[in-house]
Amino acid sequence: NAGVTQTPKFQVLKTGQSMTLQCAQDMNHEYMSWYRQDPGMGLRLIHYSVGAGITDQGEVPNGYNVSRSTTEDFPLRLLSAAPSQTSVYFCASSYSIGAGIKGLETQYFGPGTRLLVL
Amino acid sequence: GQNIDQPTEMTATEGAIVQINCTYQTSGFNGLFWYQQHAGEAPTFLSYNVLDGLEEKGRFSSFLSRSKGYSYLLLKELQMKDSASYLCAVMDSNYQLIWGAGTKLIIKP
Repeated sequence: NAGVTQTPKFQVLKTGQSMTLQCAQDMNHEYMSWYRQDPGMGLRLIHYSVGAGITDQGEVPNGYNVSRSTTEDFPLRLLSAAPSQTSVYFCASSYSIGAGIKGLETQYFGPGTRLLVL
Repeated sequence: GQNIDQPTEMTATEGAIVQINCTYQTSGFNGLFWYQQHAGEAPTFLSYNVLDGLEEKGRFSSFLSRSKGYSYLLLKELQMKDSASYLCAVMDSNYQLIWGAGTKLIIKP
């Protein structure tokens, strides 16, 4: 199993450009999520999905879109990049959420995408 | 609002024991997670507590007191490779994870 994979690892954008961060998992996990991590702050949830065809907003969704057409893939789109979106982005997945069972709710993270917006 | 507090940085000596505290105020509680994150890498799962008490896993143990909104991660027999950030996260009533900013642990020889 490759686990959770993310591409690209690094990206530099100019203000106003758009791009898609890719995320895929091969563990048949239903729950997937996108976080951003900024210095001195905790991970913040951008968007999440509880299964194919279902997405919802997290704490900081503005400026980002997601879709979940398959169980495996959960891309994150930046519509018009801004310097405030400079961050490290992590994709994570778990078997489920809300089952109350330790093993099912543990989230596994991809290696991250480091994004710089100039 | 929801809040997770943990110390920003701690220093300990190789071979010693260190305790990293986490206090939380959240809308509901559905479990508390500890993750380890080495610099430039992704967080990796360490432990999960949903009931009060101590969970032991090798050199690492995690304790939870729901009535006090408090947890700690105990690391024994510290090794240089334990130098990392340790993230505390609470799953709230909506099953969303609320994350602390992390504790950077520095191990000195």
